[in-house]
This record gives sequence, C-alpha cells and structure tokens, in this order.
Amino acid sequence: DAKTTQPNSMESNEEEPVHLPCNHSTISGTDYIHWYRQLPSQGPEYVIHGLTSNVNNRMASLAIAEDRKSSTLILHRATLRDAAVYYCILRDRTSGGYQKVTFGTGTKLQVIP
Amino acid sequence: GAGVSQSPSNKVTEKGKDVELRCDPISGHTALYWYRQSLGQGLEFLIYFQGNSAPDKSGLPSDRFSAERTGGSVSTLTIQRTQQEDSAVYLCASSPGTRGTGELFFGEGSRLTVL
Repeated sequence: DAKTTQPNSMESNEEEPVHLPCNHSTISGTDYIHWYRQLPSQGPEYVIHGLTSNVNNRMASLAIAEDRKSSTLILHRATLRDAAVYYCILRDRTSGGYQKVTFGTGTKLQVIP
Repeated sequence: GAGVSQSPSNKVTEKGKDVELRCDPISGHTALYWYRQSLGQGLEFLIYFQGNSAPDKSGLPSDRFSAERTGGSVSTLTIQRTQQEDSAVYLCASSPGTRGTGELFFGEGSRLTVL
C-alpha cells in the first residue's frame, strides 16, 4: 500500500486558515486521497477525499497538486474544535472498500486561542 | 444502528485472562476493519474482513490475537492470555465495500487495560 508522510505537529491561531500538507510521491493513478481527523478520545472521522481536482465541503477544502504527489487540507478558519490529529491516506478506487488500509501517525494540530 | 457500535467501551482485565471485543458495523457494510491505538500513537492495522472472510491477517501482533465475523455483520476480536503491552484502544471501522471512495466509518473504540 502506498505511503504518505505528514509533519508530526502544527500550530494555528484561532480563526486563521490552516494548511495541512501531505506527501504521497508513490501514489498510483487509481488512488483516492482521503483525509480523516481524530478528536481527543474519539474514533477517526472522515473529512474529505479527492482524486485529481480540488474539492470543497462544509468541513474543509482539499487542494491536490497537478502531479498528485502531494495534497493540502485547508481549514479556512480554525476553531478550538478543530484541534485534532489529521490523517492523510490513499485508497485504491479499483478495490472499493476491500483492501488493507494503513494510517500513518498523522499531524497533530494545536489551535491557539 | 446509525453508526458503528463497539463494546465494551472500557475493559479492565488481569494479565493472563482472555478478552473479547465486539464490533457492530453499519447495516449493509460488507468491509470491516480492526485497528489498535496505543497511548499517544497512530492507528496500527490489525485485520480486515471482506464479508466473513479475512484476506489479510498480517497485522495481528501474535497468535494470541484472533478475529472472526459471522453473518457478514458482527465481528469479535479475541485476545488470549492478555499481556500488559496489549493495553490500548481497539478501534473498529466499516465501509460499504462497493466500488467507490471507500470511506471508513469508525466506532468510538474499546479501551483495554491489562493490569
């Protein structure tokens, strides 16, 4: 399974935008890029996913590099509730849900009031 | 239920005892995953199910760990002769399993403490 690399931690001021980077240089053409976040003492939750084009939803935006070897999760205005560990993973779209899915250590985001 | 349900939410056991952790996936989800998360660490993949079969058991830490799934629904993770290093949060996730984006839906986890 293709690997991703993320910074261990990042800080942001409240109400400022946050850009969380992820490198996936070995991504294949059939891989979706997924982002999850894990709030303290909770299971991870889905945030957003994309394939080639940038994506927006109510939680965040996902910017995907033209060569797809990196992506950035954008939180437009960080709130204290956004303090969490953010995971970037790859999902092969040809196998649907039937595949081993590995998570890295993610990026721990600290939001400063 | 509306989401993935795991039980027990907390389990304290003595070293050497066996424990069973249960996962009820979202109805209709054919893919099911187990992960382990030690304190302050990332998610460690244990096993996944495609229906009732487990194509990849490579993540199970030792032969003390086993998992089964029956009826394409409920899954049980069993740890025999528990050790202190087994203390962790065990997370279960399910996914529709159809061709598509493969979004994972996680439960709240079962926190295991081995004394």
